[in-house]
Amino acid sequence: DTEVTQTPKHLVMGMTNKKSLKCEQHMGHRAMYWYKQKAKKPPELMFVYSYEKLSINESVPSRFSPECPNSSLLNLHLHALQPEDSALYLCASSPRDRATEAFFGQGTRLTVV
Amino acid sequence: GESVGLHLPTLSVQEGDNSIINCAYSNSASDYFIWYKQESGKGPQFIIDIRSNMDKRQGQRVTVLLNKTVKHLSLQIAATQPGDSAVYFCAERESGNTPLVFGKGTRLSVIA
Repeated sequence: DTEVTQTPKHLVMGMTNKKSLKCEQHMGHRAMYWYKQKAKKPPELMFVYSYEKLSINESVPSRFSPECPNSSLLNLHLHALQPEDSALYLCASSPRDRATEAFFGQGTRLTVV
Repeated sequence: GESVGLHLPTLSVQEGDNSIINCAYSNSASDYFIWYKQESGKGPQFIIDIRSNMDKRQGQRVTVLLNKTVKHLSLQIAATQPGDSAVYFCAERESGNTPLVFGKGTRLSVIA
């Protein structure tokens, strides 16, 4: 199984809503990532989890709250988002201690209204 | 030909021709480089990678060239097909302990 699965594929939420994005992998990867991608731009790193601990937070606003409940799951909790937060949110995973490619999910297309 | 738009450079090629997509990177400590292909509405898909101790690596119809002296990476696609139409990103990382950093991306458009 070389898949990273993200749910939901699409999400529309109001600025007062609370929602969560979910990501799952069963490759035994101990590094997991959240990236944000705006149209016609490259993915931008948001968070890195290493062995289920947050190791990098790229100065992301607190309205985005990541969580890694176990080595296979990664969540991104969303609260009080702004329309400019609308983007494709990508989850990825990779082995922790070897420089290899990261495996990406298909992303969640988020629209904030 | 190649053009640079407001956000995303575009490369248009005739079906059957070879394509060359270029990428400049800035981190001289980067040890590992990847090319990803991203189709509309999908996540990035791995194409080929190369480590800093190599200058060329070949896959099926694709070749990656690395010039560390000028910090330049290129992706060559032989006999380009309509299914190759997508946005191509280069990415780099220093080690297994550091995350991938993506370059700006190039849209490849194949003319049938």
